[in-house]
Amino acid sequence: SAVISQKPSRDICQRGTSLTIQCQVDSQVTMMFWYRQQPGQSLTLIATANQGSEATYESGFVIDKFPISRPNLTFSTLTVSNMSPEDSSIYLCSVKTGPNQPQHFGDGTRLSIL
Amino acid sequence: ILNVEQSPQSLHVQEGDSTNFTCSFPSSNFYALHWYRWETAKSPEALFVMTLNGDEKKKGRISATLNTKEGYSYLYIKGSQPEDSATYLCASYTGNQFYFGTGTSLTVIP
Repeated sequence: SAVISQKPSRDICQRGTSLTIQCQVDSQVTMMFWYRQQPGQSLTLIATANQGSEATYESGFVIDKFPISRPNLTFSTLTVSNMSPEDSSIYLCSVKTGPNQPQHFGDGTRLSIL
Repeated sequence: ILNVEQSPQSLHVQEGDSTNFTCSFPSSNFYALHWYRWETAKSPEALFVMTLNGDEKKKGRISATLNTKEGYSYLYIKGSQPEDSATYLCASYTGNQFYFGTGTSLTVIP
């Protein structure tokens, strides 16, 4: 299984600012994902982070709001841009090491926007 | 978007009681069903990955069954302990994407 380090673990931010969340994996993985869980909602996939190319975004999520970098197979960042209170959520990165393998998650970033 | 539903939304049980909860998912586009346990301030931890109709998996006091034809999975906890308190998430995997339910929040009262 992969060990994932995600930071920051939590932050309180002002409206209109941006925050970058980092995800570091202890081994090379092909599949890396970013999720969001808003209060009372299920985990929702934001995008698949692709190494060396643009991330693949799910419906309702756009690159201008959630730019993602994936410079190599062990690291990715998610930026939450121009934040508003609706962006207050838990953000999680995860990796998947094989077709019948579970996802391994980071500890999450708990983000509150004032 | 696949609709994955979990019930009940929350559950309180006494220590030592056995309990179970349900995950319902569309049986079309099914590849695998995942169960995760998510404790507060920790990352979701994988419990089971199930792919075949009739699959039963067990890990200690926790077990799960899968019915892909009718689109449901049950998670059972035998003799609940306070450390079992967590949110239990299921996710349907289509081979391309995961669709998560909203989870069942379990509180085990000592």
